[in-house]
Amino acid sequence: AQSVTQPDIHITVSEGASLELRCNYSYGATPYLFWYVQSPGQGLQLLLKYFSGDTLVQGIKGFEAEFKRSQSSFNLRKPSVHWSDAAEYFCAVAEGDSNYQLIWGAGTKLIIKP
Amino acid sequence: DTEVTQTPKHLVMGMTNKKSLKCEQHMGHRAMYWYKQKAKKPPELMFVYSYEKLSINESVPSRFSPECPNSSLLNLHLHALQPEDSALYLCASSHIQGVVNTEAFFGQGTRLTVV
Repeated sequence: AQSVTQPDIHITVSEGASLELRCNYSYGATPYLFWYVQSPGQGLQLLLKYFSGDTLVQGIKGFEAEFKRSQSSFNLRKPSVHWSDAAEYFCAVAEGDSNYQLIWGAGTKLIIKP
Repeated sequence: DTEVTQTPKHLVMGMTNKKSLKCEQHMGHRAMYWYKQKAKKPPELMFVYSYEKLSINESVPSRFSPECPNSSLLNLHLHALQPEDSALYLCASSHIQGVVNTEAFFGQGTRLTVV
């Protein structure tokens, strides 16, 4: 069965430091991959997506992610975090033959230290 | 306009009440979704509408009744809910391109409390 693993429940990073949030998926074919961010009590905002092509994907708010097929990973990175980046981050994969169904990771809560 | 608008933002209802959640988008998306999200959990898919027809019902109890009056609107009718139904209810929409849906755009959600 398809699955998405975000191994870190929460991560604490100092403001201005770099960030990497991990995401591993289990899916046989080429997946459609997404990172969403959710601020407290808010909806989900798409940061970036990978469907095909260049494996390094640029997103909004200075985020990027790299698709590594050999490692079944789609890690999210940012070179310098801001206090406003504190939020819950969800990785998700869409089943290629039925794209209605997003399989979600459990989420990683990002805490920013001043 | 890249917004999905949900109303109300907050709703408190008794177990015998009937209420409705509303969702609207004007992006021309023909797929619309209802998700339920409990605290500190990822969203759980409830319903999917494709071209205004219900295409997926994830075994949701009948006390939740979705409706898609037109391509821009999605409602969720609530009746005889239980306290465990308290959650953030999220609406989303996306394009349909062939058999592939593009990325989903989410609304801000309705925070529902059942008392």
